Amino acid sequence: EPEVTQTPSHQVTQMGQEVILRCVPISNHLYFYWYRQILGQKVEFLVSFYNNEISEKSEIFDDQFSVERPDGSNFTLKIRSTKLEDSAMYFCASSEVGVGDTEAFFGQGTRLTVV
Amino acid sequence: QKEVEQDPGPLSVPEGAIVSLNCTYSNSAFQYFMWYRQYSRKGPELLMYTYSSGNKEDGRFTAQVDKSSKYISLFIRDSQPSDSATYLCAINTGGFKTIFGAGTRLFVKA
Repeated sequence: EPEVTQTPSHQVTQMGQEVILRCVPISNHLYFYWYRQILGQKVEFLVSFYNNEISEKSEIFDDQFSVERPDGSNFTLKIRSTKLEDSAMYFCASSEVGVGDTEAFFGQGTRLTVV
Repeated sequence: QKEVEQDPGPLSVPEGAIVSLNCTYSNSAFQYFMWYRQYSRKGPELLMYTYSSGNKEDGRFTAQVDKSSKYISLFIRDSQPSDSATYLCAINTGGFKTIFGAGTRLFVKA
């Protein structure tokens, strides 16, 4: 069964450092998303990406964040200068068409710990 | 007023019980309603997806949407210990952003 894969499963970084979280979406999917979940809190939308550009982003997704699809298979989330409050699970998701029309499949997440 | 409200529980039931999970939402523009299941330290897994008011059934799961009341429900029949997880309601306006509820933790005791 096709699945969204994320690497690494756990990343520890020092405050102020840059991190890149990686995702391989399902191969025939066209829409890609990043969500985050701070421990004990709800899953929050960060950004959606389609046709090599951001289609929607939340207020959380400020200038410290960026996304990229560097090749035909990977989708990355970069945090330029990490803060303690960036510690969370980060989930990548993909869907065949926009979420309103079909289901989004989530990866297993990357746990980011900023120390 | 929060866009999506969901009682976090926990909800504890004996094996075989019927479970009822609920969410309310505030924006009548929401069109798509989903239920996800999330096991500890794992990604959300889509269980049910509905568009219109009414019921949708899939095995032991029934999703119900009442747009007039802005109320959505998930029913689990013959609950099993393996159903123990956090259940997230999620709502979408038809765009790219999905809004999740806080999740209800469910424990099914053998």
